[in-house]
Order: sequence, then C-alpha cells, then structure tokens
Amino acid sequence: KQEVTQIPAALSVPEGENLVLNCSFTDSAIYNLQWFRQDPGKGLTSLLLIQSSQREQTSGRLNASLDKSSGRSTLYIAASQPGDSATYLCAVRGGNNRKLIWGLGTSLAVNP
Amino acid sequence: GAGVSQSPSNKVTEKGKDVELRCDPISGHTALYWYRQSLGQGLEFLIYFQGNSAPDKSGLPSDRFSAERTGGSVSTLTIQRTQQEDSAVYLCASSDRDRGNHEQYFGPGTRLTVT
Repeated sequence: KQEVTQIPAALSVPEGENLVLNCSFTDSAIYNLQWFRQDPGKGLTSLLLIQSSQREQTSGRLNASLDKSSGRSTLYIAASQPGDSATYLCAVRGGNNRKLIWGLGTSLAVNP
Repeated sequence: GAGVSQSPSNKVTEKGKDVELRCDPISGHTALYWYRQSLGQGLEFLIYFQGNSAPDKSGLPSDRFSAERTGGSVSTLTIQRTQQEDSAVYLCASSDRDRGNHEQYFGPGTRLTVT
C-alpha cells in the first residue's frame, strides 16, 4: 500500500532564504508525482508535475526533483517570499490506479 | 478558460439530512475525481470517473456516499443521512486524460459542516 510522507510538517523561515521540502513514498512504481499549494480556505493549485520518466521540473523559483528508485522527491524554493506562505502538498499517482495518494503537507511560513 | 467550479462553497446541514455537492469540470476534460480533506488529515480519494467507463468507487467510505456524472460533464456527490464525521472539505478535480495529460486541476472545494 502506497504511503506518502512529507517532512517537515511545518517550516518558518525569513524572507529570502532558499528552502527544501521533502516528500517520500513507499512504492516506487508510480506514474507521476505532483506538488500542490494550498492557501487557507482555498482549493489546491498545481505547482509541478513530474512524470515517472523525468528527474526534475522547474517553474520560476520552484524546482522539483524525483528519485523514483529511492522513493523521494524534493521541492526547492529559491529566494522565498512572504507570498510563498502556504501548505505544500505532495501526491503520487500509482502505476495501476488512477487516484492520487497524498502526504499531509508542509506548512510554510515566510516571514518578512 | 474557466477552471473547475464547485457549489455550494459552504454547506451547513443537520445530522441525518441528505446533501448534494456539485462539480463542474474544465470543459473537455474526460476524467473527474472527488476527494475529501478532513481537519488534520490528508486528502482522501473518494471516486473517479473516466469517460463512459464504470467509475472507480473504491474510495467511498460507506454506502451513504454516491456520485454520478451526467453527460460526461457535471458531477454530483450525494451524502445520505449525514453524520458529524462527514464534516470536511470536498474537493473535485478534472484532468484531460484522453490526451495523455494526467495533471489534475482542482476546484475551490465545498466545506461541509454537519451539526
């Protein structure tokens, strides 16, 4: 059974820092992995999707890497800003099923 | 273009009543998913629709939960005889699976409170 773990559960940093959020999964047979952002009281915004055959994806200040064999993904945020404050969720899609399996998220606070 | 929309945004109901939650996916998206997010817990898959195929209902927590998708577009999630533990945010997502893009796009959710 696929399980997704995100570390740390919460993170507070000063503005401008580069930071790394971690996601690990127990079953390496995944189809893809997605990173999402969730703002309080709002829905989910997809940030990056990495297919199983890919090693990383980049969008602006965000970079996500995938090491399928070790069951790990990292989300790197460069030059963090207060507007980056949100909960970041990692989700994996299995190879044989269609649903996303979710981590509990990392709650990020970027302080001005 | 328009994203995934859900209605209502908030719903407060009494224990034992039935509720219906609606999802309008992105136009042209063939796949539709329902998830729920309970306080302090991760997102939980409920049900998945893909085109005209039989839905994957493996995530529905009990037979009080059902969902349908009419005409391959709008979906309704129905919870009968609501219980307090049904209180959660119910999220709908759609994806353009037929084109090989499995990225899921989410609506803003419906916050259900059962009193």
